[in-house]
Amino acid sequence: QQPVQSPQAVILREGEDAVINCSSSKALYSVHWYRQKHGEAPVFLMILLKGGEQKGHEKISASFNEKKQQSSLYLTASQLSYSGTYFCGTAKTSYDKVIFGPGTSLSVIP
Amino acid sequence: NAGVTQTPKFQVLKTGQSMTLQCAQDMNHEYMSWYRQDPGMGLRLIHYSVGAGITDQGEVPNGYNVSRSTTEDFPLRLLSAAPSQTSVYFCATNRGANTEAFFGQGTRLTVV
Repeated sequence: QQPVQSPQAVILREGEDAVINCSSSKALYSVHWYRQKHGEAPVFLMILLKGGEQKGHEKISASFNEKKQQSSLYLTASQLSYSGTYFCGTAKTSYDKVIFGPGTSLSVIP
Repeated sequence: NAGVTQTPKFQVLKTGQSMTLQCAQDMNHEYMSWYRQDPGMGLRLIHYSVGAGITDQGEVPNGYNVSRSTTEDFPLRLLSAAPSQTSVYFCATNRGANTEAFFGQGTRLTVV
C-alpha cells in the first residue's frame, strides 16, 4: 500500500522553509527520501530507521515518528536547486521491499 | 564505473509487440528493482530481485516478466505491449534491503 504524501505541490520563494509529510496506515521499519529533478532519475537523500531518529545533511533534514507511522522532510532556507519532486518510500520490515508514495512537487522561485 | 545502465533510452512499440528493457549494473549489488513512473502515481514497483535466481512481484507485475541469471543483469520483458504500459521505466540497485537505491537514467516507452 502506497504511503500518503502531503502536500501534493508547494511553491516557495528562495529562502523560505518547507515541510513535506509522509504517512502510512501500517507499522513501518524505515522511511526513505528521494528527490527527482525534471527529466532525471531519482536521487537518494536519506533513510530513517525505526527508532525515531532525525537525520539531516546541509539544510535538509527529516524525522520519523514510528508510533504515528509518519515522517517529515524539512527544507530550510530553500534554494533554487531544491526544486523537484520529492518521494518518500516505506518498508514494513528490515527485509521488506520499499513502496514509494505519489510524490510532492516543490518549486522554488526567485 | 558506469553504475546502472538502462537501454534503450526511448522506444515506441505497437500494441501487441513484445520487447525487453535492459538493465545492467557494475556495482556488485544484490538487490535490483524495476519501477514505472506515471504522472501523479509516483514510482510503482513492478518486480524486484534480492539476488541471482531470485525474483518476486511488486505492486504492478501484470504484463511484465523478469529473470535474474547473473548479479549484473535484470531484464524486464513486456510480453504483449498495451497502451496502458506507456510510461517511464526505471531500474534501481541496492547493496541490500533498506539501503540507498541507485537509479538508472530511465527508459521512456510509448505504446501506440
